[in-house]
Formats: sequence, C-alpha cells, structure tokens
Amino acid sequence: GAVVSQHPSRVICKSGTSVKIECRSLDFQATTMFWYRQFPKQSLMLMATSNEGSKATYEQGVEKDKFLINHASLTLSTLTVTSAHPEDSSFYICSAREGDRYQETQYFGPGTRLLVL
Amino acid sequence: GNSVTQMEGPVTLSEEAFLTINCTYTATGYPSLFWYVQYPGEGLQLLLKATKADDKGSNKGFEATYRKETTSFHLEKGSVQVSDSAVYFCALSRKTGNQFYFGTGTSLTVIP
Repeated sequence: GAVVSQHPSRVICKSGTSVKIECRSLDFQATTMFWYRQFPKQSLMLMATSNEGSKATYEQGVEKDKFLINHASLTLSTLTVTSAHPEDSSFYICSAREGDRYQETQYFGPGTRLLVL
Repeated sequence: GNSVTQMEGPVTLSEEAFLTINCTYTATGYPSLFWYVQYPGEGLQLLLKATKADDKGSNKGFEATYRKETTSFHLEKGSVQVSDSAVYFCALSRKTGNQFYFGTGTSLTVIP
C-alpha cells in the first residue's frame, strides 16, 4: 500500500522556538495532504488541508499564523509550529490522499511527537 | 452534521476471545466508513473500509458491515491475539470533499 513518512518522529524544543515537521508520500503523488493533531487518549483533530501549489485551508479555531503549512510539491508538505509553547506539545499526524477528491482513502504517516519545554 | 460515536474503552480480552467494538455514525448523504488501527507510538493504519450500504470490509480476520438502517459499522473479530492490542478508530468520509470524522478511539488490550 501507499507509504507516508514523517520527519522527525520525535522532537523536543525550547519554548519560543520554531519547529518544522515534514510529511512525504514515498510512492505516490499526493495532491492533497492533511495535518491532524492528537491529544493523549483522544481522537484526531483535523487542523488543515494542504493542496499542492495553493494555500492551506485551516479548520476553525486553528491559528494559521502559528501553524504554517507549505505544500511545495506533490510529495512533500511541511508544518511549522512557530514560537512554540508548552501547550503545543502534542502528537502531529499527517495524511495524504492519492489522486482527486473522489479518492477517499487517506494514508497516514507515523506521526511526530512534539514536546515543548 | 457528521459525527462518529464509538464505544468507550478500554477493552481487555483474553487471547482467542471474540471482539466487538461498536461504532455508529451520523452523516448527511452516503458516507464511506473506515476502521483505522493505531499501534503504540505509531500513526494510523487503514484496517478496512466499506463504501456503500451492506458492504462488508474485512482484513486480518477483522470484519465490519455497513448497516445503513442502523447507521452502524461495528468491528468484529472471532479470535483476538495479543498482537491485536492497539487503539481502534472508526471514521467516516463524505464522498466529496476532504473531511474525515473520527470517533474517539477504543483501546484494546489482549492478554495471553
């Protein structure tokens, strides 16, 4: 099946610094990628939808200036957490959809655990 | 609106026991339904899916049938193994658009 990777898998940073997380589709072209956030023992919360070559669409309540998303190519999307604070500590998961909007299956990356001290 | 409700866990079973994890949904139109599994420290993996009413998704001994009349997509396995210990998420997706709606997840622990 399709493979999605994320890098790094785990990151610890100081409060106030910025952290970039990469999401790559390894064996397919992903016209759309999604970024989710998962709190401990909770479900995934969709943060934003990223389409290649255009601006990301953010869900209500998600600060677009804090969570910068860039989808520069059909195989790479990045999420940058700017000026990170301890409350940003979470598990961030990306997913990618192959093909057009009628392709429903999303393939998930392994996640990135962010800890802000 | 669209939403997914899963039975709350955690669920603890002995090896070879029968598993049922209930999932019901509310949706406009005719969504596709999914079960994803998350092993400790990992991301989500697609376990099975069904795209229309009465479809049965199956994989690795797990099954779920899309029941439109009861708006349900319950996950079942006849004989669980220790390696099935994970968190299971039920999800729905509308056939157009981007939105996935996840349940809160059900943690399963299988003891030898």
